[in-house]
Amino acid sequence: QSVLTQPPSASGTPGQRVTISCSGSSSNIGNNHGYWYQRLPGTAPKLLIYRDDQRPSGVPDRFSGSKSGTSASLAISGLRSEDEADYYCAAWDDSLSGFWVFGEGTKLTVL
Amino acid sequence: QLQLQESGPGLVKTSETLSLTCTVSGGSISSTTHYWGWIRQPPGKGLEWIGSIYYSGRTFYNAFLKSRVTVSVDTSKNQFSLNLSSVTAADTAVYYCARHVGLVGGMDVWGQGTTVTVSS
Repeated sequence: QSVLTQPPSASGTPGQRVTISCSGSSSNIGNNHGYWYQRLPGTAPKLLIYRDDQRPSGVPDRFSGSKSGTSASLAISGLRSEDEADYYCAAWDDSLSGFWVFGEGTKLTVL
Repeated sequence: QLQLQESGPGLVKTSETLSLTCTVSGGSISSTTHYWGWIRQPPGKGLEWIGSIYYSGRTFYNAFLKSRVTVSVDTSKNQFSLNLSSVTAADTAVYYCARHVGLVGGMDVWGQGTTVTVSS
């Protein structure tokens, strides 16, 4: 049912900058805020970015979000081994009666 | 610090009803600014929103699951619950409860998740 498209995988070496994309449509990212979640192995998703580009307290400024049109992006700079996790984008979709949509997730590997 | 904890059977038989409860601690489920939702993740797949509820009992469901889903709230116990009827193997998943800020605000606090397997 996912209507947000993410690359299945991404990778980088320590210290590098990695970007993960999330492609949606006019009914979700194009008209509503984008959100990003990090899920470390065996743990619950953690909110990383809200309202496109805002960081909750406690999230390092190495993580940043942006949005352009119907796409959102998550950038991680100064990559660390502990950043190895699954990353999911999400947005409210205005179609039908409205519902939350998530991406399929991107597995980030730190080489 | 707000915490959410899912509870319920880890194994449900095909065609029966899956029932889970989320207990909220460290805060009130009667918050006027938050909604409380259920999200699941089948093995090898992405996250899927099931539905959400406001403390008043107003519910919002994923249209693809709406015919089988009921979410309810018990403010006296600071809990909300999920019932998913007529389950099949496709409903096998990790089920999470979460809080979100307004219906269209993202989920900012999640439970640890509970694995539910549907099998005959």
